[in-house]
Amino acid sequence: ETGVTQSPTHLIKTRGQQVTLRCSSQSGHNTVSWYQQALGQGPQFIFQYYREEENGRGNFPPRFSGLQFPNYSSELNVNALELDDSALYLCASSTPDRLGTDTQYFGPGTRLTVL
Amino acid sequence: AQKVTQAQTEISVVEKEDVTLDCVYETRDTTYYLFWYKQPPSGELVFLIRRNSFDEQNEISGRYSWNFQKSTSSFNFTITASQVVDSAVYFCALTLDTGRRALTFGSGTRLQVQP
Repeated sequence: ETGVTQSPTHLIKTRGQQVTLRCSSQSGHNTVSWYQQALGQGPQFIFQYYREEENGRGNFPPRFSGLQFPNYSSELNVNALELDDSALYLCASSTPDRLGTDTQYFGPGTRLTVL
Repeated sequence: AQKVTQAQTEISVVEKEDVTLDCVYETRDTTYYLFWYKQPPSGELVFLIRRNSFDEQNEISGRYSWNFQKSTSSFNFTITASQVVDSAVYFCALTLDTGRRALTFGSGTRLQVQP
């Protein structure tokens, strides 16, 4: 196990609603990245937070937003849910190593279904 | 922009067979990192290996081995004497050395190992 936890495990929402997903990073990690994985596809990068600041964003609309807290846990918020938002949302935590790069360790994911 | 291609959508083998999963990547950067992750049915992405672009040494870890060839932009993964527990979706991914270090994933290869 990676020590990265996500909640909830599963979630069902209706179109137009808002949702908040949560992630607790591995101890000692200061970076959290969020990915969306549609069925049968590879994960797509949403955004990354490093020490409470957004550190890059993928090709996702502004209704996808996030936060990172002082303890480095993070939230992903999605407003005005659309059917296409149905996916597995994965959180990964990491911290730069002595080479200045990092390896991302993933949580179990939150399965979001939008009806 | 970078790209990762996993041309094999699904592979089925019988237990104890060797199997190679292909990964081809594209990037204009000279410094980058390549990864393999395993995604069992539970959904959590499990980190297997990271290689940097300056280290072309092949690596072996138990039944797993990786062949990195910059000349062909490939980073292939071989499982020797496959086992049923190896059944999963395997993802190859790439990240650059600069900026946010978001992972760019391939579409994955589903490996089914039959008893």
